[in-house]
Amino acid sequence: EAGVTQSPTHLIKTRGQQATLRCSPISGHTSVYWYQQALGLGLQFLLWYDEGEERNRGNFPPRFSGRQFPNYSSELNVNALELEDSALYLCASSLGTAQPQHFGDGTRLSIL
Amino acid sequence: RKEVEQDPGPFNVPEGATVAFNCTYSNSASQSFFWYRQDCRKEPKLLMSVYSSGNEDGRFTAQLNRASQYISLLIRDSKLSDSATYLCVVIEYTNAGKSTFGDGTTLTVKP
Repeated sequence: EAGVTQSPTHLIKTRGQQATLRCSPISGHTSVYWYQQALGLGLQFLLWYDEGEERNRGNFPPRFSGRQFPNYSSELNVNALELEDSALYLCASSLGTAQPQHFGDGTRLSIL
Repeated sequence: RKEVEQDPGPFNVPEGATVAFNCTYSNSASQSFFWYRQDCRKEPKLLMSVYSSGNEDGRFTAQLNRASQYISLLIRDSKLSDSATYLCVVIEYTNAGKSTFGDGTTLTVKP
């Protein structure tokens, strides 16, 4: 069974640009979560999608947004990139609320 | 105060030692709990769920204390390969299923 897949593996952008990160959940999983992990720090919850709807979001500005498609894959968009957006962005999927989450390898976003 | 708190460590222990980590949470409505391990610059991997009655998986034992609002992870007979950061995660049913990870406890097992 294929795990959670994320693309791209690495992404290099400059300040002010926009970034799009993609995630495909494990087959059968309807919930997708996005987290930000800056170097040496913990996971910060960004967004949770389930059945195509945004269910919850963390304390991040509106320039962090996303969506979930009918096939349950998801995109995270970050507009007006800032230097402090440099981090590992992790996507996880689960069967539903309160079920264990399974993570992808992450996208490493670097802002120059 | 953070919603989920862990002692960051590091915990440095010799092979074969028993080590325990705690994770405290602030919201009594929290309903689901898990432990993950994260190796350096890798993604977190699910280690085990935490059930109210406590549960064991080989050398690993997880416990939940709802009265004191903490979960624990006990590792017996530590191996070098257990060296990693251990993250707890708490899920709140009352906040649209919000999941909060602790910042992790770092364990180094030495020969």
